[in-house]
Amino acid sequence: DAKTTQPNSMESNEEEPVHLPCNHSTISGTDYIHWYRQLPSQGPEYVIHGLTSNVNNRMASLAIAEDRKSSTLILHRATLRDAAVYYCILSRNQFYFGTGTSLTVIP
Amino acid sequence: DTEVTQTPKHLVMGMTNKKSLKCEQHMGHRAMYWYKQKAKKPPELMFVYSYEKLSINESVPSRFSPECPNSSLLNLHLHALQPEDSALYLCASRERAGLRYTFGSGTRLTVV
Repeated sequence: DAKTTQPNSMESNEEEPVHLPCNHSTISGTDYIHWYRQLPSQGPEYVIHGLTSNVNNRMASLAIAEDRKSSTLILHRATLRDAAVYYCILSRNQFYFGTGTSLTVIP
Repeated sequence: DTEVTQTPKHLVMGMTNKKSLKCEQHMGHRAMYWYKQKAKKPPELMFVYSYEKLSINESVPSRFSPECPNSSLLNLHLHALQPEDSALYLCASRERAGLRYTFGSGTRLTVV
């Protein structure tokens, strides 16, 4: 399955926007781009997903590059509850998790 | 019902014990998954069931035995585990490929 590359960790101040990048240069035309987050001792939680166009929902926005080789998850106003590990996953069939980005939100 | 329910939440078992983990969903999803997650690592895929048939086994040792009795239920039978098998075991389901997964909150397994 196609591989994703994310920074190991990022920090953000509370109530500021956060941009979490993901590179997926080997993406194929049928791969969806999914984002999940995982809080300690919980299962991964769906955040957002898209195929080609930018997507918005109540949790976040997903910006997809025109060539689809990268994407950015945007949290518009980070809160302390957004501190988690964020996974960017390409899915044609099964989910194979990369190492993810551990987001720290500073009060 | 939009949840995946896993029981028990915590399990401690000896290396000679036999135990089972249970996963249930009532969303009509026909694909179900078992993942294993060690501390501070990403989840690793173990098994995939599609329409109640095992479609993927990621070279998991035979001391882990999955079972899908019906479209709503997924079990993971455990026997003769080792301490290194201690981990968070996650179950997930989804309607079809490309769509989002729904994960359970996991079973925290400790092998002593």
